[in-house]
Amino acid sequence: EPEVTQTPSHQVTQMGQEVILRCVPISNHLYFYWYRQILGQKVEFLVSFYNNEISEKSEIFDDQFSVERPDGSNFTLKIRSTKLEDSAMYFCASSERGPRGEQYFGPGTRLTVT
Amino acid sequence: AQSVTQPDIHITVSEGASLELRCNYSYGATPYLFWYVQSPGQGLQLLLKYFSGDTLVQGIKGFEAEFKRSQSSFNLRKPSVHWSDAAEYFCAVGRFSGGYNKLIFGAGTRLAVHP
Repeated sequence: EPEVTQTPSHQVTQMGQEVILRCVPISNHLYFYWYRQILGQKVEFLVSFYNNEISEKSEIFDDQFSVERPDGSNFTLKIRSTKLEDSAMYFCASSERGPRGEQYFGPGTRLTVT
Repeated sequence: AQSVTQPDIHITVSEGASLELRCNYSYGATPYLFWYVQSPGQGLQLLLKYFSGDTLVQGIKGFEAEFKRSQSSFNLRKPSVHWSDAAEYFCAVGRFSGGYNKLIFGAGTRLAVHP
């Protein structure tokens, strides 16, 4: 069964450093998403991406964040200058369709900012 | 604003017992509703979804959920729990916007299963 994959599974970085979280969505999917979950809190929507552009972003997704689909398979989330409060589990998701498309989630990347 | 409430943070049941996990949502229009399960070290796996039609929906692993508009609820049920069902369960509402669904999650219910 096709699945969404994410690398790395765990990333430790120092405050102020740039990180790139990588995701490989399911191959025929067209809609891509990033969510995050701070320890002990809800899973929160960050951004959605379709047709090579951001469809919607949350208030969390400020200028320090960017997303890119550099090739036909990868979908990345970049944090330019990490802060302590960026420590969280980051989930990538993809769906084949929009309105009724089921979102398939990857296993997540745990980001720890020290 | 849309929101999802899962009133039970932690539930413990005995193996073979029935299970009901509660979910209440706040949404102005007809919601798209989902239940996801997360096992340790795994991603979120979709158990079932409701878009329209029959208010009782069947999902994978023997789970079902019932949409009750009058109560703004979408409770998850299973008649007989297995030890492998121990996991965290998330209810979500999909906010349809511009051709896609943005998921808004509840805080989750952690299920423990006693042998």
